[in-house]
Amino acid sequence: AQSVTQPDIHITVSEGASLELRCNYSYGATPYLFWYVQSPGQGLQLLLKYFSGDTLVQGIKGFEAEFKRSQSSFNLRKPSVHWSDAAEYFCAVGAENFGNEKLTFGTGTRLTIIP
Amino acid sequence: GAVVSQHPSRVICKSGTSVKIECRSLDFQATTMFWYRQFPKQSLMLMATSNEGSKATYEQGVEKDKFLINHASLTLSTLTVTSAHPEDSSFYICSARVYGFSYGYTFGSGTRLTVV
Repeated sequence: AQSVTQPDIHITVSEGASLELRCNYSYGATPYLFWYVQSPGQGLQLLLKYFSGDTLVQGIKGFEAEFKRSQSSFNLRKPSVHWSDAAEYFCAVGAENFGNEKLTFGTGTRLTIIP
Repeated sequence: GAVVSQHPSRVICKSGTSVKIECRSLDFQATTMFWYRQFPKQSLMLMATSNEGSKATYEQGVEKDKFLINHASLTLSTLTVTSAHPEDSSFYICSARVYGFSYGYTFGSGTRLTVV
């Protein structure tokens, strides 16, 4: 069964500082990996996704993530955070085959930005 | 592209009544829809998967008779919470599978259900 671990429940970062949110996954085959952001009371917005190819993926809002198969990781990074980045971030893994289309989410990391 | 519109965004209902939540795919055909429940400060828990024209597949522990899912067309899926109770209060989010170049999953904006 697939699973996702986000080790950090809450991270506080100063505005302008760099950010890295960790994500580790467990899946037997080639994973489809996603990062979503959720503002309070809102749905999920896709930041970026990885299916294959270049292991460094660029997303929206200046985010990027690197797929490392050897470490089963898909960490999200941003060189300089803005106050508007404060939100909940979810890493998710999807299945490769169309017979199992579920997305499995991590528990999320809440990002707080301080001035 | 690939937008899912979810309504209502908030609903308050009395205990014992039923509430219907709608999710519409606006610019694509949603063959597969997913319904999630999210408790405060927690992750999304998949409740069920629905495919157009067939019965929904519920996750273990989800009451089929309480959470009725209908996916009668390629652009509309509904979740009806029947005989709602305060413990059903939660944030419900739908998601649609997107195929093709934009492969992935797109999410509705969520519905905050409060049962009083």
